[in-house]
Amino acid sequence: KQEVTQIPAALSVPEGENLVLNCSFTDSAIYNLQWFRQDPGKGLTSLLLIQSSQREQTSGRLNASLDKSSGRSTLYIAASQPGDSATYLCAGGGGTSYGKLTFGQGTILTVHP
Amino acid sequence: DTEVTQTPKHLVMGMTNKKSLKCEQHMGHRAMYWYKQKAKKPPELMFVYSYEKLSINESVPSRFSPECPNSSLLNLHLHALQPEDSALYLCASSQEVGPWEQYFGPGTRLTVT
Repeated sequence: KQEVTQIPAALSVPEGENLVLNCSFTDSAIYNLQWFRQDPGKGLTSLLLIQSSQREQTSGRLNASLDKSSGRSTLYIAASQPGDSATYLCAGGGGTSYGKLTFGQGTILTVHP
Repeated sequence: DTEVTQTPKHLVMGMTNKKSLKCEQHMGHRAMYWYKQKAKKPPELMFVYSYEKLSINESVPSRFSPECPNSSLLNLHLHALQPEDSALYLCASSQEVGPWEQYFGPGTRLTVT
């Protein structure tokens, strides 16, 4: 059974800092890894999707990497802004559970001015 | 357009009521999903539809009844719910079941009294 863990559970940083969110998964047979952002009481916004054959994806100030052999993914946020404050969720797709996304518990990010 | 819409945004229902949640997408996606999210927890998969047929049921109680009347529409019929069923219900869609990006709707906040 796939298990996904995110570290840290919460992170508070001053505006302008570069930061890294970590995600680890137990089933390396995933077919993709997806990062989401969720604002309080809202739905999930897809940030980046990394297929199992890829090593990283970039979108603006966001960069996500995937290392299947070690079971890890990282989300790098450059020059953080208060508007980046949200919960960040990673989810592994597939493996022994084809068709399913298995989510981590999330990292609550607060960027203060 | 990568929009998934859900109605209603909020729903309050008694334990003897029957109500339905609605989800719609016009991206031509053939996979649609229902997730349940409790406060401060990640989303948990409930159902997956592929080409309008139920392909995954995560042992969800029968008081939740999904329906996919066509490729753009997904319903979740609710009957005789319990207070512990109060949660944010999220709908998602993807091109097909498998390694495709999932797009989420804004959710329906359900309160069972």
